Amino acid sequence: AQKITQTQPGMFVQEKEAVTLDCTYDTSDPSYGLFWYKQPSSGEMIFLIYQGSYDQQNATEGRYSLNFQKARKSANLVISASQLGDSAMYFCAMTLSRTGGGNKLTFGTGTQLKVEL
Amino acid sequence: DTAVSQTPKYLVTQMGNDKSIKCEQNLGHDTMYWYKQDSKKFLKIMFSYNNKELIINETVPNRFSPKSPDKAHLNLHINSLELGDSAVYFCASSLLAGRSYNEQFFGPGTRLTVL
Repeated sequence: AQKITQTQPGMFVQEKEAVTLDCTYDTSDPSYGLFWYKQPSSGEMIFLIYQGSYDQQNATEGRYSLNFQKARKSANLVISASQLGDSAMYFCAMTLSRTGGGNKLTFGTGTQLKVEL
Repeated sequence: DTAVSQTPKYLVTQMGNDKSIKCEQNLGHDTMYWYKQDSKKFLKIMFSYNNKELIINETVPNRFSPKSPDKAHLNLHINSLELGDSAVYFCASSLLAGRSYNEQFFGPGTRLTVL
């Protein structure tokens, strides 16, 4: 069974600073995908970034980058140049091999990020 | 223009009633999902359908019955609603084929309140 752990219930960051949101995962499956989603106060779930377990390079999408350390089983999200609009709940999630797994996402408990002036 | 849509957005009902939530996606995806987000914001998979076939059925009371009339639609019917069913229900869709792991796109959610 897979498990995602997010140990930071809440984080504060100053506008324009970078922030790292922690995520560790646990699985014995060698093949998996890691995702980050953002949930603003309006409630929708927004896909941010993806990293495959066999990807050689860390994923980047605009101001988002994923610091993937396979040996440590961590997949931290780095947001550069924080903006007020980045204030939201952030979820780390994992999916295992599609075979028999159906691509279901297992989520962590989330980190509430607040960006301050 | 909407990618994944759900109706209704809010649902307030009495205990014991039966209700349905509808979901539609226009992304051409072949797989759709239902997730439940509880009051502590924890998200958990409930069901998944691939090309109208049920492929994931987590430990969910059988009062919950999903139905997929076609690849673009996935509905959730709940019988005999209980207080503990109050939550936000998200529909999502993705491609199962192609790239190894495909991102799931979520609908806006349906906030169900059982009184």
